[in-house]
Order: sequence, then structure tokens, then C-alpha cells
Amino acid sequence: VQLVQSGAEVKKPGATVKISCRISGYTFTDSYIHWVQQAPGKGFEWVGLVDPEDGETFYEEKFQGRVTITADTSTDTAYMELSSLRSEDTAVYYCATDLSRGVDYRFDPWGQGTLVTVSS
Amino acid sequence: EVVLTQSPATLSVSPGERVTLSCRASQSVSSNLTWYQQKPGQAPRLLIHGASTRATGIPARFSGRGSGTEFTLTISSLQSEDFAIYYCQQYNNWPLTFGGGTKVEIK
Repeated sequence: VQLVQSGAEVKKPGATVKISCRISGYTFTDSYIHWVQQAPGKGFEWVGLVDPEDGETFYEEKFQGRVTITADTSTDTAYMELSSLRSEDTAVYYCATDLSRGVDYRFDPWGQGTLVTVSS
Repeated sequence: EVVLTQSPATLSVSPGERVTLSCRASQSVSSNLTWYQQKPGQAPRLLIHGASTRATGIPARFSGRGSGTEFTLTISSLQSEDFAIYYCQQYNNWPLTFGGGTKVEIK
């Protein structure tokens, strides 16, 4: 099982970023895909999840309205789009797979992370 | 939301020592708690789920205990590769939340 994320991004405040997470080694629809934020030198904040089987999503309230998580079953790729970027969004964003599909929300494995830098 | 408080923030230990890390929840999370290990520049790695079940491939020196609001992760004999930051995470309530981490460093 492997999750490979897209490369680092540098964006200006107010812009939108879209990160991809391509999975391999298992059936895409057998899992949930989660996105997690890790700001520099900080801990983790859960952003949201997508069920690739039906596209259903759940978002952390803090990101609601600015984040869109999608899953493309034709390419086994999940996406996280974050809009109206501000400096506080500067962080590494990880995708992670949950093969329990919500039984115990275990994130295993994680992608390698994508650094998003928001700077004018 | 459920706040997870990990202690201590930093633990300085020697290889071979036994270490116990604590994770306290602001309200009961039953046994719905996971532990992760993160090394510098790397993605986190799942260690324990369901409070006490070791993930596939995790050495037996790692063990998790607890339920409700008090949880511990114990490393029975610290190896050089175990120096890292350890995070707990709860999945009993939305949103999913993480603790602030405990850094295990070489003494």
C-alpha cells in the first residue's frame, strides 16, 4: 500500500491550492482517505475525509467552506483543494488511508506529505 | 471537541530504558485511541490502535493501555530507532483530534 502526494506549492494569500494523493497497492474504494495538516513545528489537525466509494465527505468545522476533498476512482487519486489561503495555512498536508473504513479510523499508511507555503 | 493532553512534552532517556508516555482526554473516548510515531522529515507511522492493539509489523516492545480518559504508551526497552515524537489521536468523537506530542530524546 502506497500513497504518493504531489509536490510542494508556494501560493499567495487569497489563492487556491489543490494537492493530489495517488494510491496503489489496494482497491481505492476499500478505504477512506483522510487529510491532515501539520503546521511548522506543530502537531496535527484533522482536515477532513472522503469515502471514494460514493464521494461522501466530512470536514473539520475550522476548514468548512474553504476545503474540498474529492476522489477520482478512474485514477485512484484523492484531492484536497484549499481556497482563500492565508499565512496560517502554511503547513505540510498529509493524506492517509483508513482501510477500516471508519471502524477505528486508523491512518495507515500516510503519504509523504506536501508542503504548502503561503507568502506574499 | 475532545482535547488530548500528552505528558511529558519531552522525555530524555538512555537506550535500553523503559519509558511510559501519557495521553489524557478531556472526556471519555472509550478505547478509541491511536498512537503514532513521527521521526524528523517523515510521515507518521501507526503504532497502536484501539488503545492496545499493535499495528502490523510493530515490535512487541511497544504496548498501549487505558480506556476512558487515561492512556499510556510504553516502550519496554528503548532502541536507537525509537527516538522520535509520539502522538495520540482519538476517534470517539468528531472532529478527530490529536495530542500535542511527546518527544523522546537521547539523554
